[in-house]
Amino acid sequence: DADVTQTPRNRITKTGKRIMLECSQTKGHDRMYWYRQDPGLGLRLIYYSFDVKDINKGEISDGYSVSRQAQAKFSLSLESAIPNQTALYFCATSDNQGQGNEQFFGPGTRLTVL
Amino acid sequence: DAKTTQPTSMDCAEGRAANLPCNHSTISGNEYVYWYRQIHSQGPQYIIHGLKNNETNEMASLIITEDRKSSTLILPHATLRDTAVYYCIVNAWANDYKLSFGAGTTVTVRA
Repeated sequence: DADVTQTPRNRITKTGKRIMLECSQTKGHDRMYWYRQDPGLGLRLIYYSFDVKDINKGEISDGYSVSRQAQAKFSLSLESAIPNQTALYFCATSDNQGQGNEQFFGPGTRLTVL
Repeated sequence: DAKTTQPTSMDCAEGRAANLPCNHSTISGNEYVYWYRQIHSQGPQYIIHGLKNNETNEMASLIITEDRKSSTLILPHATLRDTAVYYCIVNAWANDYKLSFGAGTTVTVRA
């Protein structure tokens, strides 16, 4: 079983709809992240959380919100989706022990907003 | 401002070593060099990281110049499955959560 799972894997929605992307992890990590990737570009950080009840804005948080329901779950919401939020979304986790901790990524959710 | 500079693309022959360069001339003393790769729209995968000493693991070797202004990732025996976008990232150890992915190098391994 995958350590970091994302649901759904693909989603097509319409402008103005509310969308929630979910991420679950079995690695026991405290830190979780949401990124988006646009075609031909690198990943950009949307939000991150160091533990339950800790939420931090990343590079591009406008238009998004998150919820850290438990250590293992971190969801990303688009309250009113717009076409320029069409992208590939990745969830990631990392430990908080030591330095230079690697991040483990989920398989991604491909979101299309029409 | 980009902290790293990588070639846009490179080709490599299967079975040969692939040497991926990265320039990071403004790196600070507390910043690590990380390498990740992304295979065709999958989630990025961590490869290796280092501070100033050369590092090796089961996937690759990382060679950092003495002045730390550049580094090279070496895939010792490239396979077709190593075809991916490779990202060189510079980050302070205290900010290891803030990975900044640029455009990376698209590496194509050819049979």
